[in-house]
Formats: sequence, C-alpha cells, structure tokens
Amino acid sequence: GQSLEQPSEVTAVEGAIVQINCTYQTSGFYGLSWYQQHDGGAPTFLSYNALDGLEETGRFSSFLSRSDSYGYLLLQELQMKDSASYFCAVDTGRRALTFGSGTRLQVQP
Amino acid sequence: GAVVSQHPSRVICKSGTSVKIECRSLDFQATTMFWYRQFPKQSLMLMATSNEGSKATYEQGVEKDKFLINHASLTLSTLTVTSAHPEDSSFYICSAIGLAGGQETQYFGPGTRLLVL
Repeated sequence: GQSLEQPSEVTAVEGAIVQINCTYQTSGFYGLSWYQQHDGGAPTFLSYNALDGLEETGRFSSFLSRSDSYGYLLLQELQMKDSASYFCAVDTGRRALTFGSGTRLQVQP
Repeated sequence: GAVVSQHPSRVICKSGTSVKIECRSLDFQATTMFWYRQFPKQSLMLMATSNEGSKATYEQGVEKDKFLINHASLTLSTLTVTSAHPEDSSFYICSAIGLAGGQETQYFGPGTRLLVL
C-alpha cells in the first residue's frame, strides 16, 4: 500500500522557522509536492521536488532525499496567516496525488 | 496561473436526491481531471480519474454507479452523486493538470461542500 507520514500538529511563534517532515512508502515515486490548506478552503500548491535537494520559493523551501524516502517543508519568518494545514503528496506515476495525513500548523503571536 | 473552478461551492440536499458538481479549467485544457473527497480533519482521498472522451477510472471502494463522472469537454468534468445519503456529506475537490514553468502541476478547484440531510 501507500503511506505518507507527517506530524499531526506543529506550533511555533511569529518570526520563527518551522520544519514539517514527511516520510513516504509508495509503490512508485515521481515527485513530492507540498500543499497548504486553510480551514474551509481548497489546497494550494506550494512546491514540488522531483530530484534530491532543496527548492526555495520565497519564505518556503522544500527538500527531498529519494534514497531516504524523506522530504520536508521549511517555513521561515512565520506569519499568522501561515496557520493552516500542510500536506505532502506523492505522484506515484498515475499523475493523481497520494496525500499525507496533513500537519496542522498553529502560529502564535 | 492556471485556474480551476467548481460549482456549486456549497449544496444542501435531502437524502435520496442527486447532486451534480461541475469542475472547469478556466484558462487551459485538461484531458485529465481528478476528483477527491475530504472528510473533516482528514486528508484528501482520490475518488476517480476523469478522462476526456473515455470512461472514468475509479479507485477501489468507490462505487461508479453512485458517483457518476462525465468529462464532456477539455475544460469540463462533472461529478454526480446519485441517491445521496448523509454519509456522502463531505468536501469534494476536483483538480486538473496544467503547466507551471514548463512543469506539470496539479491545480485544485475551490471545492464543493455537500451536506445531505
């Protein structure tokens, strides 16, 4: 079967840096994506890693190690608006995504 | 960037009725769209893959006769929940694949919240 493991909750303060880890076990792997979802909203795309290494997009960075079946999302200079759920998702080759269980990030003042 | 819309955004219906949800890619063509379902505080689960011009592919455990999918054109896929029951109440989200920086990216619609009474 497919499984993606993420911490269920993370709490941090404004201005801090937080890392959300994702480990995966899937039958195929073409890339790891990260999505942000605010309560009541739809997921919005944050980043995608197909190859090992770090991808940086503004305050958000994502890392992938294919040999370790591991990735993380790094959020810097946290803002209150970053409070949301964050999902890692794997493209197993079917183009549809298999999602992790999600990490609820609470940013405190 | 690519935009995907869904209609309606929210629907309340009586048990036993059917509900149709539309998913449109607004500024790009999508030969493939996906339908996901998300229960409260849970992850998104793929229900089916909608293919333009052919039958949808359903995930294991998803009843194709209950969740009818029609991919009528390169910009429109519809999901019809037939004979809806309270346990079908959920957040239904479609997605379509577009290009971002030359790379395929999955773009999600805003979702449709279904409540069956």
